[in-house]
Amino acid sequence: DGGITQSPKYLFRKEGQNVTLSCEQNLNHDAMYWYRQDPGQGLRLIYYSQIVNDFQKGDIAEGYSVSREKKESFPLTVTSAQKNPTAFYLCASSISLDTQYFGPGTRLTVL
Amino acid sequence: EDKVVQSPLSLVVHEGDTVTLNCSYEVTNFRSLLWYKQEKKAPTFLFMLTSSGIEKKSGRLSSILDKKELFSILNITATQTGDSAVYLCAVERRGSTLGRLYFGRGTQLTVWP
Repeated sequence: DGGITQSPKYLFRKEGQNVTLSCEQNLNHDAMYWYRQDPGQGLRLIYYSQIVNDFQKGDIAEGYSVSREKKESFPLTVTSAQKNPTAFYLCASSISLDTQYFGPGTRLTVL
Repeated sequence: EDKVVQSPLSLVVHEGDTVTLNCSYEVTNFRSLLWYKQEKKAPTFLFMLTSSGIEKKSGRLSSILDKKELFSILNITATQTGDSAVYLCAVERRGSTLGRLYFGRGTQLTVWP
C-alpha cells in the first residue's frame, strides 16, 4: 500500500529527554514536511525538505531538528530545548507544488 | 503578517442540515487554497482551489473561491454524522519552490443524529 506512516502513534517523554518521531513515505514524493498541532489551533510548520540532504526551517523550528538522508524518510527530533513539546505532530509529503498528503500523526506527551 | 481565518470555530447541527464553513485569508502572492477534513488524526484532502468563481464539487461537498474578496466557502448539504470532523483551510503562496501552506485554526463540525 502506498502512503505515509508515522511512528509511534503515542509517545511519552520525560522532561530533558530528546525523542525522535519517525516519518516514512513510499509515494516517491520529493517534498516532506513536519507540522505541529495544538488543541484548537491550526497546523504550524516546523521543518520542510524539498530534496534529500536539504531542509529548511519553518515557523516554529526552535527546539527541533530533522534529517533527510533518504527520500523516503524525514525523522523529527524533539530536543530538550523545546519548552512545550506536548502536541500532535503531523508529517506530510507532496510532489513539489502539489497537494500535501498527511500521515496519521504522533501524539507526544511530556510527563 | 500572513493569516488565514476560519469561521465559525465550532458548529453543531442535526443530520440533514446544510452547513457553510468560511475561510478568509490575507496572504501575499496567493497561489491556491486547500480544504482538508480531519477526523482525530490525519487530515485528508478535499479540494484545491486556484481560480475564482469555479465551484468544485464532490458528492455532498462543494467549495468556491473568491480571489477578489479573499475568501472561500465549503458547503456540506444533507449532513451525516460521518461529516463530524475538523475542517481545515490552508493557503499556499506563489513564488516558493516548495508548496508552503498556511493553515487556519479549523472549524469543528458536530453532526447529531
